[in-house]
Amino acid sequence: DTAVSQTPKYLVTQMGNDKSIKCEQNLGHDTMYWYKQDSKKFLKIMFSYNNKELIINETVPNRFSPKSPDKAHLNLHINSLELGDSAVYFCASSLGLTDTQYFGPGTRLTVL
Amino acid sequence: GNSVTQMEGPVTLSEEAFLTINCTYTATGYPSLFWYVQYPGEGLQLLLKATKADDKGSNKGFEATYRKETTSFHLEKGSVQVSDSAVYFCALRLIQGAQKLVFGQGTRLTINP
Repeated sequence: DTAVSQTPKYLVTQMGNDKSIKCEQNLGHDTMYWYKQDSKKFLKIMFSYNNKELIINETVPNRFSPKSPDKAHLNLHINSLELGDSAVYFCASSLGLTDTQYFGPGTRLTVL
Repeated sequence: GNSVTQMEGPVTLSEEAFLTINCTYTATGYPSLFWYVQYPGEGLQLLLKATKADDKGSNKGFEATYRKETTSFHLEKGSVQVSDSAVYFCALRLIQGAQKLVFGQGTRLTINP
């Protein structure tokens, strides 16, 4: 009965590779988000989708591309991974733009 | 711009001690304010919130009051437990515009028995 789930939980990969992180929510929410948490625990929003439409796109390299196949899923694809991409990535969802956000458990990405 | 500043961590206390984690904000509009908690190995959970000046959010013994005059939203608890050990994030969300959450840098709290 997990509300917001992410896969994988850990991801270790080499520089230059392409990888994807998947997120699914079973809460019936319309809005989903991706956040990046760096090694100092600083948390910053990357993207937000509302009803499959991109509404927030922070200053994120073009190598990062979110994809929302339906309202319950928001996947994050990263091309040409760099060392600085190493972080914990959190997915979140909310009923609407102003409602409480529920976070997934996070995906720890390590780029070697 | 919009930003949130929290007291530097880590904070280490003994069980049953009084807790205060300071949070101040800068906002171009009228934000809602939040405290989120992140337990080890987990995602963030909403702890409490306040949507307008002088509102007090409370949950699990934690409290925070929205102080517009001092642009603050300090988190307090009268008697902490070992299970309160976690990272605490203060955040704001503007009512206008993109309505994204802006987080502080987080404060790691460790409670010793």
